[in-house]
Amino acid sequence: AQSVTQLDSQVPVFEEAPVELRCNYSSSVSVYLFWYVQYPNQGLQLLLKYLSGSTLVKGINGFEAEFNKSQTSFHLRKPSVHISDTAEYFCAVSYNTDKLIFGTGTRLQVFP
Amino acid sequence: DAGVTQSPTHLIKTRGQHVTLRCSPISGHKSVSWYQQVLGQGPQFIFQYYEKEERGRGNFPDRFSARQFPNYSSELNVNALLLGDSALYLCASSTPPDRTSTDTQYFGPGTRLTVL
Repeated sequence: AQSVTQLDSQVPVFEEAPVELRCNYSSSVSVYLFWYVQYPNQGLQLLLKYLSGSTLVKGINGFEAEFNKSQTSFHLRKPSVHISDTAEYFCAVSYNTDKLIFGTGTRLQVFP
Repeated sequence: DAGVTQSPTHLIKTRGQHVTLRCSPISGHKSVSWYQQVLGQGPQFIFQYYEKEERGRGNFPDRFSARQFPNYSSELNVNALLLGDSALYLCASSTPPDRTSTDTQYFGPGTRLTVL
Protein backbone atom coordinates (compact mmCIF):
# COMPACT_ATOMS: atom_id res chain seq x y z
CA ALA A 1 0.00 0.00 0.00
CA GLN A 2 1.11 3.53 -0.70
CA SER A 3 2.29 5.27 2.44
CA VAL A 4 4.33 8.09 3.94
CA THR A 5 6.38 7.72 7.11
CA GLN A 6 7.47 10.56 9.32
CA LEU A 7 9.60 8.83 11.90
CA ASP A 8 9.86 11.74 14.34
CA SER A 9 6.62 12.76 16.01
CA GLN A 10 8.35 15.62 17.82
CA VAL A 11 11.58 17.51 17.19
CA PRO A 12 12.77 19.97 19.87
CA VAL A 13 15.47 22.42 18.83
CA PHE A 14 16.96 25.68 20.06
CA GLU A 15 16.56 28.88 18.10
CA GLU A 16 19.21 29.44 15.38
CA ALA A 17 20.14 25.75 15.34
CA PRO A 18 19.77 23.65 12.16
CA VAL A 19 16.95 21.15 11.84
CA GLU A 20 16.03 18.17 9.67
CA LEU A 21 12.58 16.61 9.55
CA ARG A 22 12.57 13.17 8.02
CA CYS A 23 10.13 11.75 5.48
CA ASN A 24 10.15 8.42 3.68
CA TYR A 25 7.60 7.15 1.16
CA SER A 26 6.76 3.80 -0.37
CA SER A 27 8.41 3.32 -3.71
CA SER A 28 6.77 4.09 -7.02
CA VAL A 29 7.79 4.83 -10.59
CA SER A 30 6.25 8.28 -10.62
CA VAL A 31 5.88 10.35 -7.48
CA TYR A 32 5.28 13.94 -6.49
CA LEU A 33 6.32 15.10 -3.03
CA PHE A 34 5.20 17.97 -0.83
CA TRP A 35 5.84 19.50 2.56
CA TYR A 36 3.08 21.45 4.26
CA VAL A 37 3.15 23.42 7.53
CA GLN A 38 0.21 23.80 9.88
CA TYR A 39 0.17 26.50 12.55
CA PRO A 40 -2.20 26.05 15.53
CA ASN A 41 -5.87 26.21 14.58
CA GLN A 42 -5.10 26.85 10.92
CA GLY A 43 -5.15 24.99 7.62
CA LEU A 44 -2.17 23.69 5.69
CA GLN A 45 0.31 25.98 3.96
CA LEU A 46 2.52 24.69 1.17
CA LEU A 47 6.23 24.96 2.02
CA LEU A 48 7.71 23.34 -1.07
CA LYS A 49 7.15 20.65 -3.66
CA TYR A 50 9.04 18.26 -5.90
CA LEU A 51 7.44 17.44 -9.22
CA SER A 52 10.48 16.76 -11.41
CA GLY A 53 13.92 18.13 -12.26
CA SER A 54 16.48 19.18 -9.66
CA THR A 55 16.43 16.99 -6.59
CA LEU A 56 17.15 19.95 -4.27
CA VAL A 57 14.01 22.00 -3.82
CA LYS A 58 13.88 25.39 -2.14
CA GLY A 59 10.72 26.62 -0.48
CA ILE A 60 9.39 29.49 1.56
CA ASN A 61 10.71 30.68 4.93
CA GLY A 62 14.24 29.37 4.22
CA PHE A 63 13.26 25.68 4.05
CA GLU A 64 14.63 23.24 1.52
CA ALA A 65 14.24 19.51 0.83
CA GLU A 66 16.13 16.91 -1.12
CA PHE A 67 14.49 14.16 -3.15
CA ASN A 68 16.46 10.92 -2.88
CA LYS A 69 14.96 8.28 -5.16
CA SER A 70 17.29 5.45 -4.10
CA GLN A 71 16.40 5.94 -0.45
CA THR A 72 12.78 6.97 -1.15
CA SER A 73 13.23 9.98 1.10
CA PHE A 74 12.31 13.65 1.02
CA HIS A 75 13.80 15.20 4.17
CA LEU A 76 13.09 18.82 5.06
CA ARG A 77 15.92 21.04 6.31
CA LYS A 78 16.50 24.55 7.56
CA PRO A 79 19.97 25.83 8.49
CA SER A 80 18.78 28.17 11.26
CA VAL A 81 15.32 28.00 12.83
CA HIS A 82 13.30 30.76 14.45
CA ILE A 83 10.72 30.72 17.22
CA SER A 84 8.09 31.39 14.55
CA ASP A 85 8.88 28.04 12.88
CA THR A 86 7.18 26.23 15.76
CA ALA A 87 4.38 24.29 14.05
CA GLU A 88 3.28 20.89 12.76
CA TYR A 89 4.95 19.77 9.52
CA PHE A 90 3.39 17.25 7.16
CA CYS A 91 5.04 15.38 4.35
CA ALA A 92 2.71 14.27 1.55
CA VAL A 93 3.00 12.23 -1.62
CA SER A 94 0.93 11.98 -4.78
CA TYR A 95 1.32 9.01 -7.09
CA ASN A 96 -0.11 10.80 -10.10
CA THR A 97 -3.60 10.05 -8.87
CA ASP A 98 -6.33 12.11 -7.41
CA LYS A 99 -5.25 12.38 -3.80
CA LEU A 100 -2.49 13.35 -1.41
CA ILE A 101 -1.30 10.78 1.11
CA PHE A 102 -0.04 12.43 4.26
CA GLY A 103 2.31 11.34 6.97
CA THR A 104 1.33 11.59 10.62
CA GLY A 105 3.18 14.86 11.06
CA THR A 106 6.20 16.13 12.98
CA ARG A 107 5.80 18.69 15.71
CA LEU A 108 8.72 21.15 15.53
CA GLN A 109 9.19 22.98 18.83
CA VAL A 110 11.74 25.81 18.79
CA PHE A 111 13.03 26.99 22.15
CA PRO A 112 14.68 30.37 22.85
CA ASP B 1 -6.10 37.02 -4.77
CA ALA B 2 -8.35 35.33 -2.25
CA GLY B 3 -7.33 31.87 -1.18
CA VAL B 4 -9.56 28.89 -0.54
CA THR B 5 -12.41 29.84 1.76
CA GLN B 6 -14.50 27.54 3.92
CA SER B 7 -17.63 27.99 5.98
CA PRO B 8 -18.51 27.76 8.74
CA THR B 9 -15.33 28.06 10.80
CA HIS B 10 -16.68 26.04 13.68
CA LEU B 11 -19.72 23.81 14.06
CA ILE B 12 -21.19 21.83 16.93
CA LYS B 13 -23.66 19.04 16.23
CA THR B 14 -25.12 16.10 18.11
CA ARG B 15 -25.00 12.45 17.16
CA GLY B 16 -27.40 11.47 14.39
CA GLN B 17 -27.64 14.95 12.91
CA HIS B 18 -26.65 16.01 9.42
CA VAL B 19 -24.05 18.64 8.48
CA THR B 20 -23.12 20.56 5.34
CA LEU B 21 -19.71 22.16 4.92
CA ARG B 22 -18.93 24.62 2.14
CA CYS B 23 -15.83 25.49 0.17
CA SER B 24 -14.96 28.10 -2.44
CA PRO B 25 -11.80 27.40 -4.45
CA ILE B 26 -9.17 29.83 -5.60
CA SER B 27 -10.39 31.75 -8.63
CA GLY B 28 -9.64 29.77 -11.78
CA HIS B 29 -9.23 26.44 -9.98
CA LYS B 30 -11.53 23.72 -11.27
CA SER B 31 -10.75 20.92 -8.83
CA VAL B 32 -11.76 20.66 -5.19
CA SER B 33 -10.67 18.01 -2.70
CA TRP B 34 -11.89 17.28 0.81
CA TYR B 35 -9.80 15.89 3.66
CA GLN B 36 -10.59 14.90 7.25
CA GLN B 37 -7.98 15.62 9.91
CA VAL B 38 -8.60 13.98 13.24
CA LEU B 39 -6.76 15.53 16.16
CA GLY B 40 -3.14 14.43 16.24
CA GLN B 41 -3.15 12.83 12.80
CA GLY B 42 -2.43 13.75 9.22
CA PRO B 43 -5.26 14.63 6.83
CA GLN B 44 -7.12 11.73 5.19
CA PHE B 45 -8.50 12.03 1.66
CA ILE B 46 -12.30 11.94 1.36
CA PHE B 47 -13.24 13.15 -2.14
CA GLN B 48 -11.97 14.98 -5.17
CA TYR B 49 -14.11 16.69 -7.79
CA TYR B 50 -12.97 18.01 -11.15
CA GLU B 51 -15.26 19.93 -13.47
CA LYS B 52 -18.24 18.92 -11.35
CA GLU B 53 -17.55 15.18 -11.59
CA GLU B 54 -16.26 12.92 -8.84
CA ARG B 55 -12.68 12.06 -9.62
CA GLY B 56 -11.76 10.07 -6.57
CA ARG B 57 -13.12 8.78 -3.30
CA GLY B 58 -11.28 7.76 -0.16
CA ASN B 59 -12.14 5.03 2.30
CA PHE B 60 -15.11 6.72 3.96
CA PRO B 61 -18.65 5.37 4.50
CA ASP B 62 -21.60 6.33 2.33
CA ARG B 63 -22.70 8.77 5.03
CA PHE B 64 -20.18 11.11 3.43
CA SER B 65 -21.14 12.71 0.13
CA ALA B 66 -20.13 15.78 -1.82
CA ARG B 67 -20.88 17.75 -4.92
CA GLN B 68 -19.38 20.54 -6.98
CA PHE B 69 -21.37 23.37 -8.47
CA PRO B 70 -21.02 25.14 -11.87
CA ASN B 71 -18.99 27.93 -10.19
CA TYR B 72 -16.60 25.19 -8.87
CA SER B 73 -17.56 25.70 -5.23
CA SER B 74 -18.28 22.52 -3.32
CA GLU B 75 -20.28 21.07 -0.45
CA LEU B 76 -19.42 18.16 1.80
CA ASN B 77 -22.37 16.47 3.46
CA VAL B 78 -22.22 14.05 6.36
CA ASN B 79 -25.33 12.20 7.52
CA ALA B 80 -26.04 10.39 10.78
CA LEU B 81 -23.12 11.99 12.57
CA LEU B 82 -21.01 9.89 14.91
CA LEU B 83 -18.71 11.02 17.69
CA GLY B 84 -15.79 9.85 15.54
CA ASP B 85 -16.68 12.38 12.85
CA SER B 86 -15.33 15.14 15.08
CA ALA B 87 -12.41 16.57 13.14
CA LEU B 88 -11.04 19.45 11.13
CA TYR B 89 -12.42 19.23 7.59
CA LEU B 90 -10.08 20.72 5.03
CA CYS B 91 -10.86 21.76 1.51
CA ALA B 92 -8.15 22.11 -1.12
CA SER B 93 -8.30 23.47 -4.64
CA SER B 94 -6.05 22.88 -7.62
CA THR B 95 -6.02 23.39 -11.35
CA PRO B 96 -4.80 20.27 -13.10
CA PRO B 97 -4.52 20.73 -16.86
CA ASP B 98 -6.84 17.82 -17.52
CA ARG B 99 -8.81 15.09 -15.84
CA THR B 100 -5.91 12.67 -15.59
CA SER B 101 -3.23 15.01 -14.31
CA THR B 102 -2.30 16.18 -10.85
CA ASP B 103 -1.35 19.60 -9.60
CA THR B 104 -0.44 21.31 -6.35
CA GLN B 105 -3.30 21.50 -3.87
CA TYR B 106 -3.86 24.69 -1.87
CA PHE B 107 -5.73 24.35 1.39
CA GLY B 108 -8.33 26.44 3.12
CA PRO B 109 -8.42 27.16 6.87
CA GLY B 110 -10.78 24.28 7.57
CA THR B 111 -14.05 23.76 9.41
CA ARG B 112 -13.79 22.42 12.94
CA LEU B 113 -16.68 19.99 13.50
CA THR B 114 -17.47 18.82 17.01
CA VAL B 115 -20.03 16.04 17.47
CA LEU B 116 -21.47 15.69 20.97
